[in-house]
Amino acid sequence: GNSVTQMEGPVTLSEEAFLTINCTYTATGYPSLFWYVQYPGEGLQLLLKATKADDKGSNKGFEATYRKETTSFHLEKGSVQVSDSAVYFCAIATGTASKLTFGTGTRLQVTL
Amino acid sequence: GAGVSQSPRYKVAKRGQDVALRCDPISGHVSLFWYQQALGQGPEFLTYFQNEAQLDKSGLPSDRFFAERPEGSVSTLKIQRTQQEDSAVYLCASSLIAGGWNTEAFFGQGTRLTVV
Repeated sequence: GNSVTQMEGPVTLSEEAFLTINCTYTATGYPSLFWYVQYPGEGLQLLLKATKADDKGSNKGFEATYRKETTSFHLEKGSVQVSDSAVYFCAIATGTASKLTFGTGTRLQVTL
Repeated sequence: GAGVSQSPRYKVAKRGQDVALRCDPISGHVSLFWYQQALGQGPEFLTYFQNEAQLDKSGLPSDRFFAERPEGSVSTLKIQRTQQEDSAVYLCASSLIAGGWNTEAFFGQGTRLTVV
């Protein structure tokens, strides 16, 4: 079956620091890869996605590249802001499967 | 409304009680999903509807869990004889097209269920 391993948090960074949150996966079939974000008091929101190898998903300054050879989809941002403080979830879905498989989430806290 | 709406936002149930959780998806969305999120964990899939048809219920943890979407819009997740291990946030998501993951899924804020 599918599984996602995500770096544990919390991650605490100063504003303008570089962010990396690691995510690796195992999957049957050829997965689509996603990062979701959950801001305090809000529902999960899709941050970015990639559907084939070497694709780069990007949004709001965040990027992640689909690396099939290393089965990874690490999230990066060059300069974080206090408003990026949230919980980030890596997720995968395979084929026409209807269900997402999520990692355990990584809490990011950005301080001034 | 503009987004996926879930009610109630919070529910406290005594062990053994039955509960019903409601999800109003975005109007016109074909696909609807239920997930369970335990404290400190990622969401775990429970069940999936395409319109009124329940196409996948492989994630329902026991026969105490039942979901329906009779008219292809509003969905209800029912848990009978609640137990403490049912305490979690229950998330609903909807997406525009069948299959779901080639387009964006929109999540509600969830219902936090606490069984005491």
